[in-house]
Amino acid sequence: GEDVEQSLFLSVREGDSSVINCTYTDSSSTYLYWYKQEPGAGLQLLTYIFSNMDMKQDQRLTVLLNKKDKHLSLRIADTQTGDSAIYFCAEKADSWGKLQFGAGTQVVVTP
Amino acid sequence: ETGVTQTPRHLVMGMTNKKSLKCEQHLGHNAMYWYKQSAKKPLELMFVYNFKEQTENNSVPSRFSPECPNSSHLFLHLHTLQPEDSALYLCASSQDDSPGLSGNTIYFGEGSWLTVV
Repeated sequence: GEDVEQSLFLSVREGDSSVINCTYTDSSSTYLYWYKQEPGAGLQLLTYIFSNMDMKQDQRLTVLLNKKDKHLSLRIADTQTGDSAIYFCAEKADSWGKLQFGAGTQVVVTP
Repeated sequence: ETGVTQTPRHLVMGMTNKKSLKCEQHLGHNAMYWYKQSAKKPLELMFVYNFKEQTENNSVPSRFSPECPNSSHLFLHLHTLQPEDSALYLCASSQDDSPGLSGNTIYFGEGSWLTVV
């Protein structure tokens, strides 16, 4: 099975908060990432968190890491229509640039 | 603009054609990567180059041939591909100082959409 798992779809109303969840299996992961992919575009790095941190906040984005449960979440406050995209969770093992990605969560923001 | 530029953005090729994808990074990074993104599958790492040396080949068929002439440029040469190779090919780069010192962020290009007919 996949090493990184995400739910496939999330629908959220504009102005509400979105929470995207991710679980991973590699306990040696040192960094975990969230990327955003808009239609027809490449991956845009949103934020990342070091494994010895529990939380990281960056403007509307809050990342929570539960290392014991190997659970990562991304919260987007005041979700806007421009936040509609696919969000990928990724973990980095100890080798060069080897990111293990989840399948992505499609976020649809409705007015 | 992430500092990683890929060309062409779209490519249609026949199964007997030879074509190449090009990637250039303007970030001064020392590591470059090719990833493949297929429909309904997670991103797959194909190749890793560090200081121009290939450090990883993730069991990629030989019809895909990477080339890294310097730390700023990366190519993916394509030959006798199959329709199932149709996908988005993403180039990425990072500044990695040594294995084990993870965390340096990886920046992706916009991707090259490949269709094999």
